Order: sequence, then C-alpha cells, then structure tokens
Amino acid sequence: QQQVKQSPQSLIVQKGGISIINCAYENTAFDYFPWYQQFPGKGPALLIAIRPDVSEKKEGRFTISFNKSAKQFSLHIMDSQPGDSATYFCAAWRNTDKLIFGTGTRLQVFP
Amino acid sequence: SQTIHQWPATLVQPVGSPLSLECTVEGTSNPNLYWYRQAAGRGLQLLFYSVGIGQISSEVPQNLSASRPQDRQFILSSKKLLLSDSGFYLCAWGRGVLETQYFGPGTRLLVL
Repeated sequence: QQQVKQSPQSLIVQKGGISIINCAYENTAFDYFPWYQQFPGKGPALLIAIRPDVSEKKEGRFTISFNKSAKQFSLHIMDSQPGDSATYFCAAWRNTDKLIFGTGTRLQVFP
Repeated sequence: SQTIHQWPATLVQPVGSPLSLECTVEGTSNPNLYWYRQAAGRGLQLLFYSVGIGQISSEVPQNLSASRPQDRQFILSSKKLLLSDSGFYLCAWGRGVLETQYFGPGTRLLVL
C-alpha cells in the first residue's frame, strides 16, 4: 500500500499548549519521513524530517517521534504559538523517487 | 542558493481554453522536478515528475500534460480545461531519491 494516513484533519490548540499530529503508513519500503508546513496561499515548506534509523528528532519546538514497528510517526509542537497556525503535511518517500503525502492537518492556535 | 519560480501566480480561465503553467529553478543543475495539484482544503496530489530533459512520468491520467524542454524548466499544459482542473498547482524540485523536495509559491487556477 502506498498511502499515508494523517490525523486529525483539524486541530485547535491554545497558546502555549502542545500540538500533536499523527501519521501512519503501510509500506515498509518508505525510508524518509518529512513534515511540511503550509501557510494559506503559499507553497509547503520543509519543517523537519526523520529517517527510520532514529526514533526521535528535535528541532527547536518541533519534534518528530518515529515508531518503526507500529509504522507510525508524529509531529509534536511544544509551546504552540499563533504563528504556528498553518496546515501541516506528513509525507513518506515511496520506493523510487516520489513523495506520498498525508491529507493534511489544519492547526489553529488561539491566544 | 536555489530558487524556484512559478507563473502566473493566479489565473482565471474559461472551460475549454488551453493552459500553460511554467516553473523554473535557479541555482542547481539536473534537478528532479514535480507538478502537484492541491484542491481546496485537501492534500497534495502528484501529477507529473521528471528526472531529466524530455523525461516525464505521469501519475494520474487526465487531460493535463507536462514537458521539460530545458534542464531547469518544467511546463504543465492542457489543450482544453475542465471545471475540475481548478486548484492550486505547485511545482517542486529535489536532488533525488530520499532527498527533500522544495516547493514553489504555486499558481492558483480557477476554471469557470
């Protein structure tokens, strides 16, 4: 299977809270898992990425947790800020050279 | 540094009219190039990708086509637009398998 399933579809978090977005995949041939952030009317921009040889990667307030046995990975945004309000996409590389994207999560952070 | 350009930024076209969207990349050579479509509030659907000049792979059969006449130029075309072709079209480039893809600013297409 080539799908990447992402949840939730939308998320509302208060400022300072933790935002958690989850993704699951079925194809064990996936080997690279990036997260993209997209603001309205703009192209997606790479936020953080992980390879399956590590279980966690942290960059500032953003952390990816990866569970290879469960075929799941998640994005945690600590101390969420209104400026984090955007749509977030998880993705996974298929076994050649094509990224497979999740359906996106619209995050709204309220003051 | 590398830069990716798309134009036009927005486009309103009547049903049945032709389409040509252009994407160019600066600051790199022999990139992999990609066209995606994003419907309102939806995810990204890969339409075409290219690993070199004249090499096009299609992911979804439809009335769109792509061409790569130069190393850093990628063009999305249609002979006759459909209402369902409306959406946000994104071009992206990458260096290869398991490497990051970088997206352009996008073209918003509205077919009336």
